[in-house]
Amino acid sequence: EAGVAQSPRYKIIEKRQSVAFWCNPISGHATLYWYQQILGQGPKLLIQFQNNGVVDDSQLPKDRFSAERLKGVDSTLKIQPAKLEDSAVYLCASSPRSRTDTQYFGPGTRLTVL
Amino acid sequence: AQKVTQAQTEISVVEKEDVTLDCVYETRDTTYYLFWYKQPPSGELVFLIRRNSFDEQNEISGRYSWNFQKSTSSFNFTITASQVVDSAVYFCALSEARRAAGNKLTFGGGTRVLVKP
Repeated sequence: EAGVAQSPRYKIIEKRQSVAFWCNPISGHATLYWYQQILGQGPKLLIQFQNNGVVDDSQLPKDRFSAERLKGVDSTLKIQPAKLEDSAVYLCASSPRSRTDTQYFGPGTRLTVL
Repeated sequence: AQKVTQAQTEISVVEKEDVTLDCVYETRDTTYYLFWYKQPPSGELVFLIRRNSFDEQNEISGRYSWNFQKSTSSFNFTITASQVVDSAVYFCALSEARRAAGNKLTFGGGTRVLVKP
């Protein structure tokens, strides 16, 4: 079974530019998560989707971050405009259905903002 | 609010030594799940184990073992006879099962394990 796919793996941009990350969850997984992991810290949830609806986006900086999961499968996370403090690894995870299910993570996208 | 504390930031051992990683958590819920994930240098978080709050049995899987003690809110992880391939950052995480807004994982700060040959 294929795991969670993410692209790109690495991205370098200048501050105030825009960037987008893509995630394809494990086939059949209804729940999708985006986490931000700053160097030396544990991941922090940005947004959680159940199918194509948002369950929790309480920690998403909505003035610059947006995310969508239009058909309940793939998801895109966008930052516009980027700030220096957005430099981090952005991890996508998915889980089958229930809120108690284990989350499986993708390889992440490492973003560097100069 | 839920919180996970991993007091050890880095542990260095020589191959074949045992290493124990501490994890202390805080939650107001009576129903919750605890996890351990491994993050090797490649960056991907690899799931190791999940325990629910009603199951305090210790678990062993090969060289890995976990000690869950509800009385002290701890969920410690031991690697027996460590190997160089165990070098990674290990994260403990908590999920509150009855949150209305979903089941986000709250992670500790991680413990970096370095196993020297």
